[in-house]
Amino acid sequence: QVQLQESGPGLVKPSETLSLTCNVSGGSVNSGSYYWSWIRQPPGKGLEWIGYIFYSGSTNYNPSLKSRVTISVDTSKNQFSLRLNSLTAADTAVYYCATMTMLKFYALDIWGQGTTVTVSS
Amino acid sequence: DMQMTQSPSSLSASVGDRVTIACRASQNINNYLNWYQKKPGKAPKLLIYGASSLQSGVPSRFSGSGSGTDFTLTISSLQPEDFAIYYCQQSYTTPRTFGQGTKVEIK
Repeated sequence: QVQLQESGPGLVKPSETLSLTCNVSGGSVNSGSYYWSWIRQPPGKGLEWIGYIFYSGSTNYNPSLKSRVTISVDTSKNQFSLRLNSLTAADTAVYYCATMTMLKFYALDIWGQGTTVTVSS
Repeated sequence: DMQMTQSPSSLSASVGDRVTIACRASQNINNYLNWYQKKPGKAPKLLIYGASSLQSGVPSRFSGSGSGTDFTLTISSLQPEDFAIYYCQQSYTTPRTFGQGTKVEIK
């Protein structure tokens, strides 16, 4: 069973770049079974889909973040990553990585525990 | 973007009650509708995918129905551990979008 674990800095400054990593265990990021996804939840707000990457390298991003976001895969470390630049306070959120599978109507079926990111000087 | 609208935004119910949450899509999404349960400090948990398929390990008191634009999540007999926020999400098109959430509180 695939398990996911996010890691990254808890505090970043405005205008800087956020880098988060999702470590994959129990499966391979090279698997064609999953799309590797990022979702976030700002404090007191709902869930926002950020984007996903397929093992082939193809990506799909939320247009609201597209100009600032990059999702990539590192097969040597069996992990995938999120980079979000030009941060503002509005990017303060809990960030989750998750798998999405076509076998379940592209639902987000496996989630990491989440990592809290605060954007503040 | 596909808009997902849930109703109600919150509800109060007692243990043992039957609870129904509605989700409406702004356009036809066929059966590409999923339901998640979110508790404070925890990751969202997939309950229902494809509008009506129960995720492995999820109690059978949870069920989903609907197709096209109108969908429903039903909890047949509310249990203490079911008090949470429930989100619908469409996976028919990108960007994937979620409903605003329905908070189920103890009466």
